[in-house]
Amino acid sequence: AQTVTQSQPEMSVQEAETVTLSCTYDTSESDYYLFWYKQPPSRQMILVIRQEAYKQQNATENRFSVNFQKAAKSFSLKISDSQLGDAAMYFCARSPFGNEKLTFGTGTRLTIIP
Amino acid sequence: NAGVMQNPRHLVRRRGQEARLRCSPMKGHSHVYWYRQLPEEGLKFMVYLQKENIIDESGMPKERFSAEFPKEGPSILRIQQVVRGDSAAYFCASSLGTGLTYEQYFGPGTRLTVT
Repeated sequence: AQTVTQSQPEMSVQEAETVTLSCTYDTSESDYYLFWYKQPPSRQMILVIRQEAYKQQNATENRFSVNFQKAAKSFSLKISDSQLGDAAMYFCARSPFGNEKLTFGTGTRLTIIP
Repeated sequence: NAGVMQNPRHLVRRRGQEARLRCSPMKGHSHVYWYRQLPEEGLKFMVYLQKENIIDESGMPKERFSAEFPKEGPSILRIQQVVRGDSAAYFCASSLGTGLTYEQYFGPGTRLTVT
C-alpha cells in the first residue's frame, strides 16, 4: 500500500515563531507529486504548497517552504513567522505522476499561541 | 468564477435510506474526484470521473456506492441503503486536467449523518 504518515497529531507554536510539520511516505514510483493542504475549521481544503519529486529544489510559497528528502521519503513543511490564521489541520498528500488520485495522511492539528 | 459547489452541505438520513450528493465542478473543469473523510482522519480517495466516464473507482466500496458525471449537470455520488458507518464528510474536487499544473480544487464538502 502506498501510505502517507504524519506522526504528529498535534503541534503548537508561538505567534511569529517557526514550526515544522513532519511527513513521510511510501511509494514504489520514481515520479510523483507531493502536497500540503490546510483545512481550517470551515473544513475547506486549501492547497498550501506542492512539490514534484523529480525536482531537487525545495518548493517555497511565501512563509511556507518544504524540506524534501527523496531518498528518505520525507516531505516536511516549515511555516515561518506563524500567524493566527495558520491555525488549522494540515494534511500531507501524494499522488501518482498524473496527479489524479491523492493519498492523504491523517493530519496534524496546528495551534497558534498568541 | 464560482468555486466547486456541493449540495447539500448537511444531509441526515435514516438507516436504509438513499443519499444523493451533488457536485458542480468549476467552470470548464471536466475532471471530478470524490473523497471521504471519516472523523479525525484524512481524506480517502473514492472515485475519479471525467465527463460520462469513470476513470478510477478503486477507492469506492463495491456495494451500495455509485458515482456518475453526466454530459450535462453535476456529478452525483449515490449511496444506497445507508448504514451508520457511512456517516462522514464527502468532498468533491475538480480540475482542468491531470498533471501537476492542474490543481484539484475542493468543494466545501457534504456532511452526511446516518441516524
